[in-house]
Amino acid sequence: AQSVTQLDSQVPVFEEAPVELRCNYSSSVSVYLFWYVQYPNQGLQLLLKYLSGSTLVKGINGFEAEFNKSQTSFHLRKPSVHISDTAEYFCAVRPGGIQGAQKLVFGQGTRLTINP
Amino acid sequence: ETGVTQSPTHLIKTRGQQVTLRCSSQSGHNTVSWYQQALGQGPQFIFQYYREEENGRGNFPPRFSGLQFPNYSSELNVNALELDDSALYLCASSLAQGPYNEQFFGPGTRLTVL
Repeated sequence: AQSVTQLDSQVPVFEEAPVELRCNYSSSVSVYLFWYVQYPNQGLQLLLKYLSGSTLVKGINGFEAEFNKSQTSFHLRKPSVHISDTAEYFCAVRPGGIQGAQKLVFGQGTRLTINP
Repeated sequence: ETGVTQSPTHLIKTRGQQVTLRCSSQSGHNTVSWYQQALGQGPQFIFQYYREEENGRGNFPPRFSGLQFPNYSSELNVNALELDDSALYLCASSLAQGPYNEQFFGPGTRLTVL
């Protein structure tokens, strides 16, 4: 079974400052890793994903994440945030390969609030 | 290309009633997954349908059931509603080919059980 822990439930940041949202996972098998963003009253939008290869993954809206297998982490970063980045961010994992259902396991979410 | 749509947007029911939520998958997608997102929580996997068959289920009781139709649209049915069923229900569609296929999420149906 897989589990995901997002270490911060809320992160307040000033506009144009850098931000890091932390995610740790647990799994006995190889996994695919994802970050999703959820704006108020909306569904989930994929920010970026790690499937294999380079451990530094770049996504939409200037976000990037680094997969660290030894620390079982997949932290999300942005060098300079904007007011429009205010949203809930979810880290998720899925077992690698094609066996079984494409079941995503999500963390509890981190609410990112950008202050002017 | 039409994205994933869900209906209704909002729904209010009373305890003990039954509810049906609907999802239309993105064009060309043959797999539908349902998730429950309680307030302040991350989404939790309910079940997945592929070719009209259940293809995996999370830790939800049998009163949560589903259907997938030949056009790949799907329904989530919940019987004997409980207060804790109040949540945002998300549908996601994908294409079940290859080692990885992105799940595209709909906007969700917010269910309130009184």
